[in-house]
Amino acid sequence: GAGVSQSPRYKVAKRGQDVALRCDPISGHVSLFWYQQALGQGPEFLTYFQNEAQLDKSGLPSDRFFAERPEGSVSTLKIQRTQQEDSAVYLCASSRRGRTDTQYFGPGTRLTVL
Amino acid sequence: GQNIDQPTEMTATEGAIVQINCTYQTSGFNGLFWYQQHAGEAPTFLSYNVLDGLEEKGRFSSFLSRSKGYSYLLLKELQMKDSASYLCALFDYKLSFGAGTTVTVRA
Repeated sequence: GAGVSQSPRYKVAKRGQDVALRCDPISGHVSLFWYQQALGQGPEFLTYFQNEAQLDKSGLPSDRFFAERPEGSVSTLKIQRTQQEDSAVYLCASSRRGRTDTQYFGPGTRLTVL
Repeated sequence: GQNIDQPTEMTATEGAIVQINCTYQTSGFNGLFWYQQHAGEAPTFLSYNVLDGLEEKGRFSSFLSRSKGYSYLLLKELQMKDSASYLCALFDYKLSFGAGTTVTVRA
């Protein structure tokens, strides 16, 4: 299909390990967003890219969280020294144009930190 | 924050109508989205309201009143596959979601 894809779908990490989560947006989509969804809650905004530029990272919960999109397509969300409170589903979304278009979500990566 | 409130759970019978309300306390947004999310899956787009009024798309309709800080999603002719979480989200380039309403459709 031509939707947003994410990998891995599931990740188990020991506390203190680093993890990297990948997002492949819909081809040609300019904007890319990362959200964090805790169990039983709605997604919470983490960061936003327009092409390769990270225009908003105000939602990243700490400096252990880092995101990049070096060529304006695939994006990686990296979490260093994972903590138990990082356990959540990490959703990626992309939209066609800049700031005004519908966002289409990937299936998410479920991260469990033991 | 934007204090987006939705009921936690609703139950309805197959073939019936259900209305999911969403209230918020901000005026600074471009529009309001509704997404459907089945357990363990991605949120999928249902509707988007920019102006006040009703938007109808098949069995689903969404309403927005900016002056009242209120929106609702109306699901008609409920089917078992409509059992899911429904998320209200304010849009100002990023999405700010409510906690979601879990709808259970019973036969």
